[in-house]
Amino acid sequence: AQSVTQLGSHVSVSEGALVLLRCNYSSSVPPYLFWYVQYPNQGLQLLLKYTSAATLVKGINGFEAEFKKSETSFHLTKPSAHMRDAAEYFCAVSPNTGTASKLTFGTGTRLQVTL
Amino acid sequence: GAVVSQHPSRVICKSGTSVKIECRSLDFQATTMFWYRQFPKKSLMLMATSNEGSKATYEQGVEKDKFLINHASLTLSTLTVTSAHPEDSSFYICSARDQGVGDTQYFGPGTRLTVL
Repeated sequence: AQSVTQLGSHVSVSEGALVLLRCNYSSSVPPYLFWYVQYPNQGLQLLLKYTSAATLVKGINGFEAEFKKSETSFHLTKPSAHMRDAAEYFCAVSPNTGTASKLTFGTGTRLQVTL
Repeated sequence: GAVVSQHPSRVICKSGTSVKIECRSLDFQATTMFWYRQFPKKSLMLMATSNEGSKATYEQGVEKDKFLINHASLTLSTLTVTSAHPEDSSFYICSARDQGVGDTQYFGPGTRLTVL
């Protein structure tokens, strides 16, 4: 069985500040991990994915995430927040390669960016 | 990236009626599509996997007679909520699998169903 916990349903940062969105996973097999972003009235967009290659994964829009097995974490970061980053972010886990296998999602974190 | 559309974006219906939601992959063919349900402040829950030309695979606890899925073409999957009741009110999201580029799931914008 697999599960994902996103700590903090709502995160607020100032524009230009560091963004840190937390994700912890539980998996009985080696996991594949993903971050998706959902802008208002739009579908989920893949930000980045970890598939057992490099533990530090770089994604689109300046985001990156680091897989830490010892901490069972896959936190999402961005050095400098921009207003356009305001959205809902979902962490997800899958037991297989790629993204087309069944995904188990976290509850999401809403990122607010203030001036 | 690839685009997936859903129609309608919002629907309100009376209890006991049936509602059909369409999911289309606009610029790629999808042999596999997925249907999710999202409750307020909760995770996306996978309901079923829709395979073109064959029966859908439902997750445990999802009533297949309640949520009818048809994947008749490589660009269209439909979810029909039969005899809808207020507890079926939710946000339904589909995704389509594009095997061409990194085997990625692309998500639709979702459909908000309200059953009165």
